[in-house]
Amino acid sequence: DAGVTQSPTHLIKTRGQQVTLRCSPKSGHDTVSWYQQALGQGPQFIFQYYEEEERQRGNFPDRFSGHQFPNYSSELNVNALLLGDSALYLCASSSALRKETQYFGPGTRLLVL
Amino acid sequence: AQSVTQLDSHVSVSEGTPVLLRCNYSSSYSPSLFWYVQHPNKGLQLLLKYTSAATLVKGINGFEAEFKKSETSFHLTKPSAHMSDAAEYFCVVSGGGFKTIFGAGTRLFVKA
Repeated sequence: DAGVTQSPTHLIKTRGQQVTLRCSPKSGHDTVSWYQQALGQGPQFIFQYYEEEERQRGNFPDRFSGHQFPNYSSELNVNALLLGDSALYLCASSSALRKETQYFGPGTRLLVL
Repeated sequence: AQSVTQLDSHVSVSEGTPVLLRCNYSSSYSPSLFWYVQHPNKGLQLLLKYTSAATLVKGINGFEAEFKKSETSFHLTKPSAHMSDAAEYFCVVSGGGFKTIFGAGTRLFVKA
């Protein structure tokens, strides 16, 4: 049973560029959440997707957007990258019946130069 | 509103001695509380969770935590530390609206 998978594992971009990160949830899960973890800090909630719609959102600007596909996989898009967007981006999946219990992927480390 | 405070940024113990990582929370709802562990360059692993059942929660690798509503605390303990326990530990609160709030983390060092 595959857990949560994310791609790519690492990414380097320059300021102003756009990036797309991908996540496949754990088998049987239909809810995907995204988090940003800056170096030395705890993860910060970006948003959550369920039934292909954004259900909850943290304090992140509109440059951060997402999408969920019919197979429950998800993408995180970040436009107009800033140096401060450099972080580990974590995807977590859960089931609709137990949304609060989340399983995390290994993350995508994004470096913005 | 919800918040979580991990009272120690770093904790150092000797191998074989008890571990105590402290966490206080604030929530307007009946919260769900979690502890996650993050080893270097790895993802977050769920250690244990409290979701309004038994107040003493047992997790993996010998860890346990006790939910104390009167003290708004959810401290993580382990009777005997092992070298492999060295990692970053996060206390997490989740509640109404299912927004999830992470603490700042506690780095556990285990000395031989």
